[in-house]
Amino acid sequence: QLRLQESGPGLVKPSETLSLTCSVSGDSISRRTDYWGWIRQPPGKRLEWIGSIHYSGRIYDHPSLRSRLTMSVDTSKSQFSLTLTSVTAADAAVYYCVLLSREGRGDSWGQGTPVIVSS
Amino acid sequence: EIVLTQSPGTLSLSPGERVTLSCRASQTVSPNYLAWYQQKPGQAPRLLIYDAFIRASGIPDRFSGSGSGTDFTLTISRLEPEDFAVYHCQQYVTSPITFGGGTKVEVK
Repeated sequence: QLRLQESGPGLVKPSETLSLTCSVSGDSISRRTDYWGWIRQPPGKRLEWIGSIHYSGRIYDHPSLRSRLTMSVDTSKSQFSLTLTSVTAADAAVYYCVLLSREGRGDSWGQGTPVIVSS
Repeated sequence: EIVLTQSPGTLSLSPGERVTLSCRASQTVSPNYLAWYQQKPGQAPRLLIYDAFIRASGIPDRFSGSGSGTDFTLTISRLEPEDFAVYHCQQYVTSPITFGGGTKVEVK
């Protein structure tokens, strides 16, 4: 059974870089059509899609985050990662890693990891 | 960007009642790439319905989805105690993928 597990620092200082990794187990990260993605949920706000990456490297990302966002896949480690630079309080949220269908629905989710932005 | 508006914001109901949740899109969602998720406190969202009306694997048949164009509905035919949660809709027809603000179904 597919399992996704986020890891990363729970606390990031303003203006610094947030880095998160998602470890995939129970299935191959090199699925032919699916995408691996990140979705976040700020406190009291709606879910926000951040971006999706195919194991081949093809990326779709939210235009509002594009200038600060980097995503990558490491098939040898069965992991994919997110890097968000110059974080602000607006980036504080629970971050979920997600298996997204080719069309974009969230088929399977990690448990989520909270990120606080504070000095 | 397609904006999804869910209504009502909160529903106070009793077990056994029928539930109808609404999700309205600011633009036509065609094809019907519209999904519904259930989220309980402290948990990740769980996919219930995709492509507007297809139940995800393992989802009970008391959950059903309908609608097209800009108006979509999630119906729970008979509320079970485990159904009290927040429900989100999502469109994935156009990038960026967007979500509604959620409807909370709470115990009356």
